Amino acid sequence: DAGVIQSPRHEVTEMGQEVTLRCKPISGHDYLFWYRQTMMRGLELLIYFNNNVPIDDSGMPEDRFSAKMPNASFSTLKIQPSEPRDSAVYFCASSRTMADEQYFGPGTRLTVT
Amino acid sequence: SQQGEEDPQALSIQEGENATMNCSYKTSINNLQWYRQNSGRGLVHLILIRSNEREKHSGRLRVTLDTSKKSSSLLITASRAADTASYFCATDATPSLNNLFFGTGTRLTVIP
Repeated sequence: DAGVIQSPRHEVTEMGQEVTLRCKPISGHDYLFWYRQTMMRGLELLIYFNNNVPIDDSGMPEDRFSAKMPNASFSTLKIQPSEPRDSAVYFCASSRTMADEQYFGPGTRLTVT
Repeated sequence: SQQGEEDPQALSIQEGENATMNCSYKTSINNLQWYRQNSGRGLVHLILIRSNEREKHSGRLRVTLDTSKKSSSLLITASRAADTASYFCATDATPSLNNLFFGTGTRLTVIP
């Protein structure tokens, strides 16, 4: 397996624009997680899915953030409209079960100017 | 919120020395995991220790867990320059098997 795949790897956009981050989890993993990492706040869980269903989105900072998982092999995290404080590295991770290790993607470095 | 907290925040040692990082958490757990993150990369799982285990080894890594003190330690023996990275502990929560909570990490620098 190629591991967790994220795209794009880097995204630079202007404030107010819509940003869509993509993730392909490892095949057979039932859990998918979206994290955000910044120097100030460290690694924060935004939302996670189990079998394509969002289970806990309490970490999503605002209504500007939304996430979907239309099928077992694809998820998106959308920010609309984006703001400079959204600049961070966004990681997607997947795991077989909740208790197993999580496999992280390489991350998307988002810069909002 | 429940969260693993690592200390120290930063650690600098000479190659060949041992590195010890600690993690404390607040509530009961099912398991505790340690992850490593190289600069600019995603996290990589190192080792998982369950709440009924006290010690676990994997290569040069040794993890201990003291559930009475709600703490864990990660020991890297005979460190190498390639061990330079940030190390995170992550805990889940009983009884709901809820999210993994990551700490802020320990930044380890191994000087060749």
